[in-house]
Amino acid sequence: SQELEQSPQSLIVQEGKNLTINCTSSKTLYGLYWYKQKYGEGLIFLMMLQKGGEEKSHEKITAKLDEKKQQSSLHITASQPSHAGIYLCGADIVFSSGSARQLTFGSGTQLTVLP
Amino acid sequence: NAGVTQTPKFQVLKTGQSMTLQCAQDMNHNSMYWYRQDPGMGLRLIYYSASEGTTDKGEVPNGYNVSRLHKREFSLRLESAAPSQTSVYFCASSVQGGLNYGYTFGSGTRLTVV
Repeated sequence: SQELEQSPQSLIVQEGKNLTINCTSSKTLYGLYWYKQKYGEGLIFLMMLQKGGEEKSHEKITAKLDEKKQQSSLHITASQPSHAGIYLCGADIVFSSGSARQLTFGSGTQLTVLP
Repeated sequence: NAGVTQTPKFQVLKTGQSMTLQCAQDMNHNSMYWYRQDPGMGLRLIYYSASEGTTDKGEVPNGYNVSRLHKREFSLRLESAAPSQTSVYFCASSVQGGLNYGYTFGSGTRLTVV
């Protein structure tokens, strides 16, 4: 979706290295979601952020939403091969006038972790 | 296990053929969605249904129709399949579309149109 810009498109890191994935919008994000997808599988929910400045962590993954609620980052500390996959950010954005916000996605980041 | 079930998991169609992708959820969710996923483009919303009996167009609705006759089911129909519709299709549901509620995704249907 052009509503959400995700970067980088792909990332190759050595095991043990830290990495960051970014998700940016020109609009205020009402509900920012991070999902992970293994090839050929469905989406696994990681985290949801709603408040400006909010930060959440789960194991070695930390997600932040900036104060303006227009940018989010996903940071992985000491990456492992099990972290490999496609990471997708999603946000609640209005698609048509008067309708409820619907979940739209960035283009995804393909992460490869080399052992 | 509770969740979103999609059928079939794989399908090959010839250009011009029609088919219906089925999606069912057993979580009593109000809202249901159909997405397609193409390489380098993330997931794009095709259609969504905020409640039983209602449907609305998403980002890429052309070439598709949907039906939400019952609360637990949301089907996606391709009337005349085209190679451009080769993609992985995901169905999702939520208690209520939008803020404060998470989304549950099915495992996907991989469709190839030749």
